[in-house]
Amino acid sequence: QQQVKQSPQSLIVQKGGISIINCAYENTAFDYFPWYQQFPGKGPALLIAIRPDVSEKKEGRFTISFNKSAKQFSLHIMDSQPGDSATYFCAGLSSGSARQLTFGSGTQLTVLP
Amino acid sequence: NAGVMQNPRHLVRRRGQEARLRCSPMKGHSHVYWYRQLPEEGLKFMVYLQKENIIDESGMPKERFSAEFPKEGPSILRIQQVVRGDSAAYFCASSPSGTEETQYFGPGTRLLVL
Repeated sequence: QQQVKQSPQSLIVQKGGISIINCAYENTAFDYFPWYQQFPGKGPALLIAIRPDVSEKKEGRFTISFNKSAKQFSLHIMDSQPGDSATYFCAGLSSGSARQLTFGSGTQLTVLP
Repeated sequence: NAGVMQNPRHLVRRRGQEARLRCSPMKGHSHVYWYRQLPEEGLKFMVYLQKENIIDESGMPKERFSAEFPKEGPSILRIQQVVRGDSAAYFCASSPSGTEETQYFGPGTRLLVL
């Protein structure tokens, strides 16, 4: 019940293209869904996050689409840039006192110049 | 405002030795979380602590691993009698409270067990 499944494992996009990363979850106790960006040798950094009562959230070139009934959410990166090349993790945060993040397995994004 | 600090950034230990990983949360944050990242995998929750209390240790291996967050000083993740399978990146995150969703991550400690 704790899994978050993420796809694809790797993604190559041309500069200016749209990058799309998908996640599906099983645990209905999740009440917060962040996306983290991680560069090699660095810690994950929060990119954008959404709550399940919202179907879409946009911040600059980054958009989360959320489908509560399907228990799926996705990250869209518009006008992808080489500087976006990193590993992206989706996650779900448990409600209640056990505030642990459950992460997907990650997507390694490469944006070609 | 300094971010989450972890040290050492890299740690090499031989099998059977002890590893101590330290985490100083962001200023004003009293909640600390430890995660482990194996190569080519996502982060896995280990333990959630407040000052002087372990709130959730459901992700901690039952043996050899322990964590603390004393009233003064950094949080410590301690691994006794390390084995090669303990080689991983260990990340600490902090938040100002248990109701705050955002967890801010440190740069991690890369542990290599020879």
